Amino acid sequence: AQSVTQLDSHVSVSEGTPVLLRCNYSSSYSPSLFWYVQHPNKGLQLLLKYTSAATLVKGINGFEAEFKKSETSFHLTKPSAHMSDAAEYFCVRLSGGYNKLIFGAGTRLAVHP
Amino acid sequence: GAGVSQTPSNKVTEKGKYVELRCDPISGHTALYWYRQSLGQGPEFLIYFQGTGAADDSGLPNDRFFAVRPEGSVSTLKIQRTERGDSAVYLCASSRTFWGDDTDTQYFGPGTRLTVL
Repeated sequence: AQSVTQLDSHVSVSEGTPVLLRCNYSSSYSPSLFWYVQHPNKGLQLLLKYTSAATLVKGINGFEAEFKKSETSFHLTKPSAHMSDAAEYFCVRLSGGYNKLIFGAGTRLAVHP
Repeated sequence: GAGVSQTPSNKVTEKGKYVELRCDPISGHTALYWYRQSLGQGPEFLIYFQGTGAADDSGLPNDRFFAVRPEGSVSTLKIQRTERGDSAVYLCASSRTFWGDDTDTQYFGPGTRLTVL
């Protein structure tokens, strides 16, 4: 079955240090992949998306992700964390059918002063 | 409006009651999706509309759940004989196109938090 696995349920970093949120996908082909962020009591917001145009994808707020087919990974990174980055992050893939999204379980990012 | 809107933002009901949740997509978006997010989990797909028709309802958990989109814009998710296990945040999303354009983005509303007592 098509799925995405987020390897960490919680990640804690200090402000100003790098962020790494890990995601692996299961597939025999290169799917469309996304990262969404969910701040408390707010809707899901798209950070970035991979659709095979380039393996390194830049998103909003300084985030980027690299698609690695050999590792079936799509990890999210940011060089320097801000307090405002504290939120829930979801790795998401597009299903092979009608564009429904399949979400990972989420990674809660905490940023400490 | 500028984004996807959902009403109500919160709904508390008693077990066995009927509820309706409304979604107003971004103007001009032909595709509309419903997802359900249980506590501590990622959203799960429920149903997808293209225009007025439900193109994929494979995610609806049982026949107590039903959704309509009669004019191809606003959609209503209907839950009959609610159960405590239905408590979750119900999310709606819309996108500009659907079939064959997998580069399109789904824009999400803020969700309706349903609590069944």
